[in-house]
Amino acid sequence: EPEVTQTPSHQVTQMGQEVILRCVPISNHLYFYWYRQILGQKVEFLVSFYNNEISEKSEIFDDQFSVERPDGSNFTLKIRSTKLEDSAMYFCASRGIWGRTGELFFGEGSRLTVL
Amino acid sequence: DQQVKQNSPSLSVQEGRISILNCDYTNSMFDYFLWYKKYPAEGPTFLISISSIKDKNEDGRFTVFLNKSAKHLSLHIVPSQPGDSAVYFCAAIQGAQKLVFGQGTRLTINP
Repeated sequence: EPEVTQTPSHQVTQMGQEVILRCVPISNHLYFYWYRQILGQKVEFLVSFYNNEISEKSEIFDDQFSVERPDGSNFTLKIRSTKLEDSAMYFCASRGIWGRTGELFFGEGSRLTVL
Repeated sequence: DQQVKQNSPSLSVQEGRISILNCDYTNSMFDYFLWYKKYPAEGPTFLISISSIKDKNEDGRFTVFLNKSAKHLSLHIVPSQPGDSAVYFCAAIQGAQKLVFGQGTRLTINP
């Protein structure tokens, strides 16, 4: 069964460093998302991406964040200068054109720890 | 921002009994509501959804009920099985497939 894959599964970084989280969405999907979950809190929307551009972003997704689809398969989230409060589990998700409304396919997540 | 709220952080149910998970929302503009299930070390997986124009949707052991006047929805699992032990997230759609999640309820099914 096709699935969304994310790398790395866990990354530890120093505050102020740049981090790139990578995702390979399901191959025929066209809509891509990043969500995050700070420990003990709810899953929060960061950004949605369609047709090579951001379609919606949250207040969390400030200038320190960027997304890119550098080739036909990868979807990346870059945090330019990490802060302590960026420590969270980051989930990539995708969906196709067809399918049940609201059904996103999530990866297993990348845990980011900022020291 | 508490547009979707799950007031019970945890719930424990005997195997074979009914599990009822509750969710409240404040935004009357939501037009779809969903339940996602999450196991440890995995991403959330879609479980069931309901349109705001319906009051019930059933899929096997899972039924979601929507009470729009009370801005409340619930997920019923019957009969509950040990494999149902997970964190359940209520979510609502706002805009183009942007999901707004609740805090989650950890369901434990006891044998």
